[in-house]
Amino acid sequence: ILNVEQSPQSLHVQEGDSTNFTCSFPSSNFYALHWYRWETAKSPEALFVMTLNGDEKKKGRISATLNTKEGYSYLYIKGSQPEDSATYLCASPDTGRRALTFGSGTRLQVQP
Amino acid sequence: DTGVSQDPRHKITKRGQNVTFRCDPISEHNRLYWYRQTLGQGPEFLTYFQNEAQLEKSRLLSDRFSAERPKGSFSTLEIQRTEQGDSAMYLCASKGTSLDQETQYFGPGTRLLVL
Repeated sequence: ILNVEQSPQSLHVQEGDSTNFTCSFPSSNFYALHWYRWETAKSPEALFVMTLNGDEKKKGRISATLNTKEGYSYLYIKGSQPEDSATYLCASPDTGRRALTFGSGTRLQVQP
Repeated sequence: DTGVSQDPRHKITKRGQNVTFRCDPISEHNRLYWYRQTLGQGPEFLTYFQNEAQLEKSRLLSDRFSAERPKGSFSTLEIQRTEQGDSAMYLCASKGTSLDQETQYFGPGTRLLVL
């Protein structure tokens, strides 16, 4: 059974702060790592799919890095805005590469 | 809007009643997934279809749960004789099959409350 863990569980920051979260996953049989942003009452939104060790991806003020050898990924948000408030989920495909196994998420609240 | 829709968005039912949820995936996607999310947890896999074939079911999917995708388009998830423990957010996702289509696109979910 794949074990995907995220930390911290929740985070409160002030508008303008930069922040980062961690996702850890088994480094053996790695296939891909997904990041999603899930705002209340909306669909989870895909942010990144990362596959290669050392991968870095960026979307606006959000970026992510991947270390498959040690089994972790970081998500960074630069200059947090209230609209960044959401739950950030990471996930990795199961051994059959079909379903995703999710971490429990990091809930971010950005205070104006 | 991801292009995946779910209906209803909210459902309140009494214990013992049957409920059915519908998912309409992105039209060209032939893979469809159901997940369940409870408070404080990430989504957990329930079942997966490729076209109309149900290829995998999680151990979470008890005998009271059944899912269909009759023509390889929309899918339904039925829960019979609901229990309070079934209260959760039920999410649907769809995905294409080409090698560059790794992303699963999620609907907004159906939130079920069993009283």
